[in-house]
Amino acid sequence: GAGVSQSPSNKVTEKGKDVELRCDPISGHTALYWYRQRLGQGLEFLIYFQGNSAPDKSGLPSDRFSAERTGESVSTLTIQRTQQEDSAVYLCASSPDSGTLSYEQYFGPGTRLTVT
Amino acid sequence: SQKIEQNSEALNIQEGKTATLTCNYTNYSPAYLQWYRQDPGRGPVFLLLIRENEKEKRKERLKVTFDTTLKQSLFHITASQPADSATYLCARPSGAGSYQLTFGKGTKLSVIP
Repeated sequence: GAGVSQSPSNKVTEKGKDVELRCDPISGHTALYWYRQRLGQGLEFLIYFQGNSAPDKSGLPSDRFSAERTGESVSTLTIQRTQQEDSAVYLCASSPDSGTLSYEQYFGPGTRLTVT
Repeated sequence: SQKIEQNSEALNIQEGKTATLTCNYTNYSPAYLQWYRQDPGRGPVFLLLIRENEKEKRKERLKVTFDTTLKQSLFHITASQPADSATYLCARPSGAGSYQLTFGKGTKLSVIP
């Protein structure tokens, strides 16, 4: 079946502009995660959605970052007034229902964001 | 916070040898640990999950161990091949009962022909 997809694959934007990144999780996966990966660095957790529960936003670095998810499908990550330090690869992952006791995450290819 | 460390940023190994990567964690032992592979320009791909009560897990040429005394997991690739060259990440739950993961920074493995 189809894996996690993300769009766009690459985004170049000017400092101060807003950007919106999209993630389509695997159908039926209730959990969805956003991560940021700076060049040569590890994955930095941003936000987590689980079903209809309130999202865990504890990883968002500033109030310029926000994310939404429609039910158990598409999610968008929005970065307002982008800064050069926002340049990174933004990865989305989804995970099946916890009832399967299968906690592995399935990652998309990422969106490479460059802020000039 | 629950930390996880992969001490080696890079590991070079000759083709055919066994590669061993190390992952150390702090505080309490997690219910499980996971290992992922990440190729350049791609998202991580899940490889193996090992639970706290499992000493060892195998999948083809891969073997993972979980030592709660040493607070350590070892990831082995036997008969390594150049195609095994990638960055390998270990991950643990961010908290008790949490489905979120905290990832290590990864070890970049290069298998030299």
